[in-house]
Amino acid sequence: ETGVTQTPRHLVMGMTNKKSLKCEQHLGHNAMYWYKQSAKKPLELMFVYSLEERVENNSVPSRFSPECPNSSHLFLHLHTLQPEDSALYLCASSRDQPTGFYGRANEKLFFGSGTQLSVL
Amino acid sequence: AQTVTQSQPEMSVQEAETVTLSCTYDTSESDYYLFWYKQPPSRQMILVIRQEAYKQQNATENRFSVNFQKAAKSFSLKISDSQLGDAAMYFCAYRSAGSSGDKLTFGTGTRLAVRP
Repeated sequence: ETGVTQTPRHLVMGMTNKKSLKCEQHLGHNAMYWYKQSAKKPLELMFVYSLEERVENNSVPSRFSPECPNSSHLFLHLHTLQPEDSALYLCASSRDQPTGFYGRANEKLFFGSGTQLSVL
Repeated sequence: AQTVTQSQPEMSVQEAETVTLSCTYDTSESDYYLFWYKQPPSRQMILVIRQEAYKQQNATENRFSVNFQKAAKSFSLKISDSQLGDAAMYFCAYRSAGSSGDKLTFGTGTRLAVRP
């Protein structure tokens, strides 16, 4: 157990549904991440909330919407998904420190067990 | 942009033997970090070992060690005395030490099977 909890563990949804993935960390970290893990592809960083700033991958479709109400909770809101969005969605957290004016760095990421999403 | 390549989709090792997983990367930066993460069937990614590029000495963590060849941009993971619990997906990852420090670039992973 790494201190990062994701729910639900499995999710099956239709393309017209709206659902949300939840992530909670109990490690006192100040940064949280969403990653997408598809078969035979590298993990893809979707969103980062770090040091009260949101950073996103511009290639992520708008049907994925993150929300980070505080440093311990992270949500990924899903709507009108496509079958190709089926994947394992991993949440991670870290303790980030600022490096220079724009940068940030951390020792390592702590991951949750992921939500296996199937879009029918 | 940085890329990470793991050319072995699957590997197999006999229990108690040694196995080496390969990883190469491409970057124009001189300062960066390299990682090996393990993802067991529980799906929870766990950091196995971390290497700073400015350090010449190879990192070691108990039965896990790396062979870091900076000029060749190679970062292999050696698992000694393999145990059944080592069976998992192993991901190599790269992170810049500069302003994009929050972005990890992962390889596609190597699935390691351990034969009893």
